Formats: sequence, structure tokens, C-alpha cells
Amino acid sequence: GNSVTQMEGPVTLSEEAFLTINCTYTATGYPSLFWYVQYPGEGLQLLLKATKADDKGSNKGFEATYRKETTSFHLEKGSVQVSDSAVYFCAPWGGGSNYKLTFGKGTLLTVNP
Amino acid sequence: DAGVTQSPTHLIKTRGQHVTLRCSPISGHKSVSWYQQVLGQGPQFIFQYYEKEERGRGNFPDRFSARQFPNYSSELNVNALLLGDSALYLCASSLALGTDGYTFGSGTRLTVV
Repeated sequence: GNSVTQMEGPVTLSEEAFLTINCTYTATGYPSLFWYVQYPGEGLQLLLKATKADDKGSNKGFEATYRKETTSFHLEKGSVQVSDSAVYFCAPWGGGSNYKLTFGKGTLLTVNP
Repeated sequence: DAGVTQSPTHLIKTRGQHVTLRCSPISGHKSVSWYQQVLGQGPQFIFQYYEKEERGRGNFPDRFSARQFPNYSSELNVNALLLGDSALYLCASSLALGTDGYTFGSGTRLTVV
């Protein structure tokens, strides 16, 4: 089955700082890759996705590129805001006959004013 | 349009009891998946249903069961509750099996005492 490793949190940044959250995965076949975000007390929201190698997903200033050669999908944002404070999950989906999302432990991001 | 709706939002049960959680997918979505999120961890896959058939089952005991109805809504049932079943149960819907990602509900917070 698939597995994912995310950088350990928590990550604490000042507003307007640059953000990188590392994600690497193992999978059978060629999965789609997703980043989900979870705000306190809420469910998960799809942040961005990439379905094949070298695709770049982007949304709300966040970006991630599907790197097949390094099996990575690192999340970046050039200038974070306080409202970006949340838990971020990287999740591969599919590949082979696997139709589920596989989540890691998530990375807690706190942005201070 | 309504998103994924789950009920109830919170409930408290006693060890050994049975619980039923409900989920209504986004209109037009034919797949429903269930995930369990223990505090501080990433969600773990429990079941996926597509067109009323089970398409995937995670590593959970037989005390966990689910079904999907003709209107694509779904129920998750858990028998003989244990303290360790205390978690946030998330329902996610998608058009098909999930290639384009899932939309998650806000979850049901189950506490077993």
C-alpha cells in the first residue's frame, strides 16, 4: 500500500515568511497527490492536487510539484498569513487498485502576526 | 449547494454500546468514504462505497460496518464500542472513485466512556 512521510511539526513562522512543508511518499504505480488542510475543529479541505509527474498544483498562493524521481510533493507558499494557521496533510491516492487516501500525521503550522 | 453533511456532530456512548453515524454526500456524488481520525493523528481509511458497492476496506475490526443507500447516502455502524473508538469520524464524497479528490464533511466527534 501507499505511505507518506511529512516533516515533523509544529512549524512556527512570522507573517509574510516563506513556508515549505516536506512530503515524500511510497506507492505502487502512479498515484495522484493531494494536500489537505484542517482548521481547528473542522473537517479536511482540499488545498491542491497533482495527478501526474511534473504537474504543479496551486491554490490560494500555495504550490506543490509532483516529483516522480524523488517521490516528493513539497508544499510551498511565498508569504504566509495568520489565517494559514492549520494542520496540513499530504496524501497520495490510488496507484494500482488502491482507491483510498493515505495520510501521514500532518504538520501543524502556526503563523504569528 | 449543500456540502457533505454528517450527523450527529457530537455524541457520547458507553463501552459496549452500538453507534450509527450518517452521511449525505454532495448532490451528484456517487462515492462515499469513511475515515477515522484519532486526536493528533492523520485520518485512517475505514471504508469506501461506490454505486452502493463496497470498493475498499481498511484495517479495522469486523465491529465496523457500513452501507450505502440508493440515494448515495451512507451509514457507518460500530458495535461493541471500545474506549479506543473515541475519535472524529469523517465522511468524504466524490464524483467517482476519487481521482479528483474528495470533499470532506465536518465529522462526527464520538466519545466512548
